[in-house]
Order: sequence, then C-alpha cells, then structure tokens
Amino acid sequence: TQLLEQSPQFLSIQEGENLTVYCNSSSVFSSLQWYRQEPGEGPVLLVTVVTGGEVKKLKRLTFQFGDARKDSSLHITAAQPGDTGLYLCAGSLASGAGGTSYGKLTFGQGTILTVHP
Amino acid sequence: NAGVTQTPKFQVLKTGQSMTLQCAQDMNHNSMYWYRQDPGMGLRLIYYSASEGTTDKGEVPNGYNVSRLNKREFSLRLESAAPSQTSVYFCASKFRDRGTGELFFGEGSRLTVL
Repeated sequence: TQLLEQSPQFLSIQEGENLTVYCNSSSVFSSLQWYRQEPGEGPVLLVTVVTGGEVKKLKRLTFQFGDARKDSSLHITAAQPGDTGLYLCAGSLASGAGGTSYGKLTFGQGTILTVHP
Repeated sequence: NAGVTQTPKFQVLKTGQSMTLQCAQDMNHNSMYWYRQDPGMGLRLIYYSASEGTTDKGEVPNGYNVSRLNKREFSLRLESAAPSQTSVYFCASKFRDRGTGELFFGEGSRLTVL
C-alpha cells in the first residue's frame, strides 16, 4: 500500500488548459515537497510546504498543503509544453506517525503530465 | 557545478553477476541516499547514510549493500543481480537527514538484469 497516493497517474492536455494533481494520505506529514523530473534526469525540487493550509505560488504553479497536513495539491494554470514531465510529491512523516519512517521522505507514484502544443 | 554524479549511466548484467554503482557529491552534504524508480511505483528508498560512518536500511534493502566511503562518496552494490533489480537507480544527497531540506539527485543509472 502506497503511503502517498497521487492522482491522476497520467494527464494529457492541450496547451492553455488548467490542471490539478493531488497527493493524499491517511498519515500526517511534517512537510511535503513537490519535485519535477524530466526524461533522463533526476527529480528537481519545486517547492516545500510545512504549515497546514499553506499556499505557495511559483509563477503558474500553485501548491497547497491541506489543513490537517495529510494531503497536498499542485495546480497549473494555462499549461505549456515546457510543463511536460513527471511530477512527484514526497512527504516527511510527522513524529510518532510512522515509526521507522520518521524523517525519511516517502514518494508518491508520480503523475506523468503531457502538454500538447 | 557537478552536484551529484553517478556512474555508470547504463549497465546490462546477467542474472547472478555483481556490480557496484558509484555516487559522489561535491556539496559537502552530510546525508546520502539510494533510491530505485520503477514505473508506477515512484521512488523507493533502498539504503541511506544520515552521516559519514553510518548506514541504514530503507524500504527495499534486500539484495543490496552500501558503503559510505567518505563524506563525498556512497556506493551501492548488487552481489548477485536478479531480474527484479532491473530499474533506474538514483543517488541523492541532502545537507542533513532530518528537516525540510532539498534532496539533490544524480541523473540516474539504468540497470537491466537479463
């Protein structure tokens, strides 16, 4: 069972459309990160959220951490072909919530986004 | 600006062969990690080294061993490769294991076991 469930797994849209990727768990996280990965490369950090209800914006990307710190979302406005890639959420379990997993980053399965011109 | 460097980038092995994946970082990070990435599974932690001189098992350690050679280098060894170990392997580093710091990844090593 995946600790962090990402949805959807695949997203294929046209340039200019909006989209939202979700990252959900039944566990509480002390922080949550979003990474983007391009083919043949390693993931690169986009953002870290640490406070329940926190919203961060990075140009056309908006990241939100749920009030209970169990979920997060990534919203892209007016998607562009350059946004194409694999998006990964990764969480660090809160103290007492994961035993030996405490402090380690747990990754979701990823969302493969394709934006067509 | 090298960051995290992994070698080799590609490798094909036969079942039962052994090999070592090498990783080096030049950012003076204390913590280093080995992940494997499989379709639909995200990144799964194999082993990590929170600081020089320590190593610990991650989520999927079976069939692997690691060595933290010094602060810069962290190697992953497959003693007897199996087809189930066909994957893309990523080395990553972080300034400190705990906390919200950024993980810096290498470009990956694609391993095929026949």
